[in-house]
Amino acid sequence: DAGVIQSPRHEVTEMGQEVTLRCKPISGHNSLFWYRQTMMRGLELLIYFNNNVPIDDSGMPEDRFSAKMPNASFSTLKIQPSEPRDSAVYFCASSLGVWQTETQYFGPGTRLLVL
Amino acid sequence: GNSVTQMEGPVTLSEEAFLTINCTYTATGYPSLFWYVQYPGEGLQLLLKATKADDKGSNKGFEATYRKETTSFHLEKGSVQVSDSAVYFCALSVQNSGYALNFGKGTSLLVTP
Repeated sequence: DAGVIQSPRHEVTEMGQEVTLRCKPISGHNSLFWYRQTMMRGLELLIYFNNNVPIDDSGMPEDRFSAKMPNASFSTLKIQPSEPRDSAVYFCASSLGVWQTETQYFGPGTRLLVL
Repeated sequence: GNSVTQMEGPVTLSEEAFLTINCTYTATGYPSLFWYVQYPGEGLQLLLKATKADDKGSNKGFEATYRKETTSFHLEKGSVQVSDSAVYFCALSVQNSGYALNFGKGTSLLVTP
């Protein structure tokens, strides 16, 4: 299995530009999570989906952030317009289901720098 | 609320030294507990987990015991190797938080030859 795939691995953009991060979960996994990692705040959950439906988006910082999961094998996280404070590493993770004991499998992350 | 507190790093050890990374938690409900490891430039991967009190999770020589009475899940390894250098995250999952993982801040470990 290829694991969780994220693209791009690195993104450098200018303030005000739109940024789209992509994620392909592990085949057969029904749940998908987007996390953000910064030095100041550590790892934060942004949003998660179960069976392609957004379940909890309370961690999404503001309206500039949006996430979609059009099918079981693809999700996007979009930032429009981007700001320097959005600079972080964004991780996608997937799991078989949304259970307390489930293991989440993380992708390699997208390192975003907004200038 | 739900939260995880782990010891500040960085932790620097010589090869073959004993490792302990402390982790305590607060949870409204009965959590499952996890240790994830992040190697440089990579995503997080599960190291071990425990789902009920007194359970011991173990993997690759690492172990941690779910202690409900002290709300702790300390990570230990008897003899660390240079290849164990990484950032270690303690995390919990509990039903009332929608099963999402609440992570600690992470502890950086550097093992020197």
